[in-house]
This record gives sequence, C-alpha cells and structure tokens, in this order.
Amino acid sequence: AQSVTQLGSHVSVSEGALVLLRCNYSSSVPPYLFWYVQYPNQGLQLLLKYTSAATLVKGINGFEAEFKKSETSFHLTKPSAHMSDAAEYFCAVNPGHGNQFYFGTGTSLTVIP
Amino acid sequence: DADVTQTPRNRITKTGKRIMLECSQTKGHDRMYWYRQDPGLGLRLIYYSFDVKDINKGEISDGYSVSRQAQAKFSLSLESAIPNQTALYFCATSERDGYEQYFGPGTRLTVT
Repeated sequence: AQSVTQLGSHVSVSEGALVLLRCNYSSSVPPYLFWYVQYPNQGLQLLLKYTSAATLVKGINGFEAEFKKSETSFHLTKPSAHMSDAAEYFCAVNPGHGNQFYFGTGTSLTVIP
Repeated sequence: DADVTQTPRNRITKTGKRIMLECSQTKGHDRMYWYRQDPGLGLRLIYYSFDVKDINKGEISDGYSVSRQAQAKFSLSLESAIPNQTALYFCATSERDGYEQYFGPGTRLTVT
C-alpha cells in the first residue's frame, strides 16, 4: 500500500525565515506528487505538482518543491515566509495506473511576526 | 461560478438520521472522490468513482454509501448517522492519472 509521511504536524517560523515542510512517500515507481494548501474554513487548492518533468517544481505564492527519488522525498520550501502563508499544507501521491490519491496527515504552518 | 460545488455547506443532524451530501462539478471530469477530514488525521478517502459505472470503496467506507447519478454528480449518504461521523467532508474531481484533484468547498457535518 502507498503511504505519505509528513514530518511535523506543526511548524512555526518567523516572518521572513525559510519555510521547509517535509514529505516522504512510499512507492515502487516514481509517482505523481502534489502539494495542496488549505486556508482556514476553505477547501484545498493546488500549490504545485510533480509529473516526471523537472525535479525542481515551482508553484504559486513563491513555493517550490524538489523531487528526490533516492530519498523518496518531495519537500516543500519557500525562501521567505509571509504572514499570509499560515495555513495547513498537505502532501499527496498518485501512483498512477488507475490508482487513487493518498494524502499525508498535514502540517499546520504558523508564521510568527 | 465554482467548478465543484457541495450542498449543504453545513448540516447538523441527530444520531440515527439518514443524510445525503451532494456534489456537482462542471469540469467535465470522469473521476470523483469523497473524503472526510478530521483534525490530525488529514484527508481519508471514503469512496471514489472513475466513471458513472465504476464505484470503489476507499479507506473508510463503513457506514457510508454513494451514488453516481451522472458524470457531473456524486452523492454521499450516511444511512444512520452516528456522532463519530462528525467531520468536514470534501468532494473532489480529477481528469486522469497524474492530474491534480479539484476540491469543493466542503460540508461541515455535525451529528448530535
């Protein structure tokens, strides 16, 4: 079975500091990988996705993620946190071949002024 | 107009009642999904459908049923609601393998 692990259910950073949210997946083949963001009282929206093109993927709002096959990781980063980045972030995997999506348990990001 | 809509947005019901949550989409996608979100547990898949004639159980299907009335409509039913089904429910759609899912705004369900 597939699994997605997000290390750290809560992450706090100061405004202007680096944001690093970790995601590891289990898959026998490189899957399709996604990061979603959920703002309070809203649904999930796509931040970025990896679909076997470039390993460094750029998304919206200055976020990017790097696919590292050897580490089965897809960590999300942003060089400088903004107050508006405070939200819940979910990593998701789609193994392809007609499979469903698998979501991590989420990381809540707090940005400290 | 939103591409994926859910009704109702909020619902309070009593234990033992039957309730239906509805999802409609205008994206023309064949694949539709129902998830529930609980604090600390992330999103868990209840049911998914890859086309009108295809229905599959997800991780936590017990106590739930679904109906795919058309390509654009996918309903989730709780035949006899219980308090631990209190959660935020999301509908989502996707086009095919490798494509992202698009989420509805969610339905907050409370079972008392």
